[in-house]
Amino acid sequence: NAGVTQTPKFQVLKTGQSMTLQCAQDMNHNSMYWYRQDPGMGLRLIYYSASEGTTDKGEVPNGYNVSRLNKREFSLRLESAAPSQTSVYFCASSLTSSGANVLTFGAGSRLTVL
Amino acid sequence: GIQVEQSPPDLILQEGANSTLRCNFSDSVNNLQWFHQNPWGQLINLFYIPSGTKQNGRLSATTVATERYSLLYISSSQTTDSGVYFCAVLAYSSASKIIFGSGTRLSIRP
Repeated sequence: NAGVTQTPKFQVLKTGQSMTLQCAQDMNHNSMYWYRQDPGMGLRLIYYSASEGTTDKGEVPNGYNVSRLNKREFSLRLESAAPSQTSVYFCASSLTSSGANVLTFGAGSRLTVL
Repeated sequence: GIQVEQSPPDLILQEGANSTLRCNFSDSVNNLQWFHQNPWGQLINLFYIPSGTKQNGRLSATTVATERYSLLYISSSQTTDSGVYFCAVLAYSSASKIIFGSGTRLSIRP
């Protein structure tokens, strides 16, 4: 039982390049989330998907797009990477999107944009 | 949107000491969780506690929802308790957005 799996774990991009971060969960959770964590700071919500087929903006959605490919997978795309997007990205999932939903996190993906 | 403030931002203690971490939030919540981020960056859920008190070994948490705060207690600290502690909340008014505080960085010295 892997839980939440993120790929890649590390990535270096040049300004303007694009990339997609992949996230998959095997817990049959309905809701999935993408957060970013900058050095010395808390986690900020980028996008979330309350259920398969729906996505919504979080606190800091600009510069990102997401796709809820199916119930298991939720990807985050950077179309034109900027140095300000250098961060550690965490994917999380929960059984539901309201009330008693406990988040389970992946190990994180460290992205550097030069 | 809801504001989440944690205090203190940094805490340095000797092994064996006790500590209290605080989380204040600006709106009514129906979900509050405490997380520990270890020095390797892994985020582990400690408690789901929208109200009331829970205990798990040396850790306990209390949320007073009517007064909009939660406390995390760590007793007899060990070096493995080091890391950053986050609270995260889901406001009744915020659909499914789970918002994190900025964290308390705890350093336990042997």
